[in-house]
Amino acid sequence: QQQVKQSPQSLIVQKGGISIINCAYENTAFDYFPWYQQFPGKGPALLIAIRPDVSEKKEGRFTISFNKSAKQFSLHIMDSQPGDSATYFCAGSFGSNTGKLIFGQGTTLQVKP
Amino acid sequence: EPEVTQTPSHQVTQMGQEVILRCVPISNHLYFYWYRQILGQKVEFLVSFYNNEISEKSEIFDDQFSVERPDGSNFTLKIRSTKLEDSAMYFCASSARGFVGRFFGPGTRLTVL
Repeated sequence: QQQVKQSPQSLIVQKGGISIINCAYENTAFDYFPWYQQFPGKGPALLIAIRPDVSEKKEGRFTISFNKSAKQFSLHIMDSQPGDSATYFCAGSFGSNTGKLIFGQGTTLQVKP
Repeated sequence: EPEVTQTPSHQVTQMGQEVILRCVPISNHLYFYWYRQILGQKVEFLVSFYNNEISEKSEIFDDQFSVERPDGSNFTLKIRSTKLEDSAMYFCASSARGFVGRFFGPGTRLTVL
């Protein structure tokens, strides 16, 4: 009941295109949903996050769309660039400092020049 | 920019040996975590630590694992008797009071032979 399911597993997008990664969660008690970006050999880096009382959050080229009734949220990367090529993880948590993050399986994004 | 650091970057050990993975969290952070990532799989929570005690641990974090904050700057993960299945990338993370985002270190790759 604490799973976060992420799709697709891999994604190839042309430079300038829109990359869309989807996640679905089960636990309605989650109240914090971050996205992490991970480059090879590096740790996950917090990219953007949202609380369930907001339907959309935008930071630069990155947007989270959140659908509370469907228990789904997605990451949109506008004007995708080759430097965006990385693995992206969604996660859910109970929003406290001591709580665990439950990660999705990850999406490997390749942006072709 | 402050960052979480981890040592060593790669640790090779024999099955049954003890290993200690070291982390220096961001200096004003109060909450500390260990996560692991088996090659090609998602990031999994191991343990959270606050005020010198474990706040939460996963089922992975059995009696073979322990954590310690031996001084004001280091945070360690000890695996008492390593198994082949402990081979993974281990990430330390920290967070500040009032900000639930986790900041991850670059990881230690543990290889158990």
